[in-house]
Amino acid sequence: DGGITQSPKYLFRKEGQNVTLSCEQNLNHDAMYWYRQDPGQGLRLIYYSQIVNDFQKGDIAEGYSVSREKKESFPLTVTSAQKNPTAFYLCASSFSGSPYNEQFFGPGTRLTVL
Amino acid sequence: GQQLNQSPQSMFIQEGEDVSMNCTSSSIFNTWLWYKQDPGEGPVLLIALYKAGELTSNGRLTAQFGITRKDSFLNISASIPSDVGIYFCAGQRESAGGTSYGKLTFGQGTILTVHP
Repeated sequence: DGGITQSPKYLFRKEGQNVTLSCEQNLNHDAMYWYRQDPGQGLRLIYYSQIVNDFQKGDIAEGYSVSREKKESFPLTVTSAQKNPTAFYLCASSFSGSPYNEQFFGPGTRLTVL
Repeated sequence: GQQLNQSPQSMFIQEGEDVSMNCTSSSIFNTWLWYKQDPGEGPVLLIALYKAGELTSNGRLTAQFGITRKDSFLNISASIPSDVGIYFCAGQRESAGGTSYGKLTFGQGTILTVHP
């Protein structure tokens, strides 16, 4: 089945450790996105990538890093510089270069930093 | 980043009632999307709108792209318990060059609770 997978579903880390969240899609989408969701708030864009080997900062990129070495994969690293990393992280993908850029989401990863 | 104003923030309704929610912005959007999110899951796309004035239905759901291109509405008719969740609007603006570049701006969500 085509879709977006994120792993793991739940992740626990100690404060000060970097952690990498996985996102894979087999929808042949060009663009991929990372969002952060906190209780009572909408989705805030962390990073996005419209093509392999290229990515741009979103609205809240500080303390995060990404890579886009393959079309199917867009991993997000939450670094120790992120002051409040505990959150629900969502990955999405879409076609680009078209007006019909509907984004489809993965199931999310809940990160808890202890 | 810019936010969309989504209202109401929450709704508590009886099964069978109709529901209405909306999003407004000070900027013009060329696409409006409506998503539903179940607890602990990723949002699922419900309806996509691409033209000002467009009215689109998906089962009991109906959404409209405002004529000013600055707002959108979602209606749910005859609500059922499985309608419970958070509903998000999202809009996409055109770039200065007039081409879409994919970034979405999200509303803060409407939490819907349906009592049997």
